[in-house]
Amino acid sequence: DGGITQSPKYLFRKEGQNVTLSCEQNLNHDAMYWYRQDPGQGLRLIYYSQIVNDFQKGDIAEGYSVSREKKESFPLTVTSAQKNPTAFYLCASSVLANTGELFFGEGSRLTVL
Amino acid sequence: AQSVTQLDSQVPVFEEAPVELRCNYSSSVSVYLFWYVQYPNQGLQLLLKYLSGSTLVKGINGFEAEFNKSQTSFHLRKPSVHISDTAEYFCAVSDRGTGNQFYFGTGTSLTVIP
Repeated sequence: DGGITQSPKYLFRKEGQNVTLSCEQNLNHDAMYWYRQDPGQGLRLIYYSQIVNDFQKGDIAEGYSVSREKKESFPLTVTSAQKNPTAFYLCASSVLANTGELFFGEGSRLTVL
Repeated sequence: AQSVTQLDSQVPVFEEAPVELRCNYSSSVSVYLFWYVQYPNQGLQLLLKYLSGSTLVKGINGFEAEFNKSQTSFHLRKPSVHISDTAEYFCAVSDRGTGNQFYFGTGTSLTVIP
């Protein structure tokens, strides 16, 4: 079945360590996104990419980095510069046409100790 | 940029009662509108969407929503809720001119009381 796979589901890290969250899709979607979700704040856009080897900052990109070397993959690295990294991270994808809704992965919960 | 307002952060409702979750957006330009549902520790699942045509949109699990352009609203309704409807609901807007930019509300937590 087609879909978006995020891994790991749960991740614990010590403060000051970089962590990378994986996102893979087999929907043949052009666009991919990373959102951060905190209680009571909804979804905030971190980065998005519309084509391979190109990506744009979202509203809260500081302390995060991404790459898009393949159409199917859009990993997110949470760096030690991110001041409050504990959160639920959601990856999504969509077709580029203007009628495309977002399809979401199951999310990754990062806890920094 | 758009802003999306979900007027109620928490909505408790008794089982089999009707419910309405409210959503307003800021811009009057042409938009696409979406409602998503999220169960604990899961991703978001599309409930329904409005792209064009009839202003009354029917979705999964018996939900429907009505697009009101003059009031810039897209309220979600269900005539009779079930325990399984307990979840977080998000309204989202996408400008037609920038189809890949999505704006989300802060969510409404629906709790169905037995």
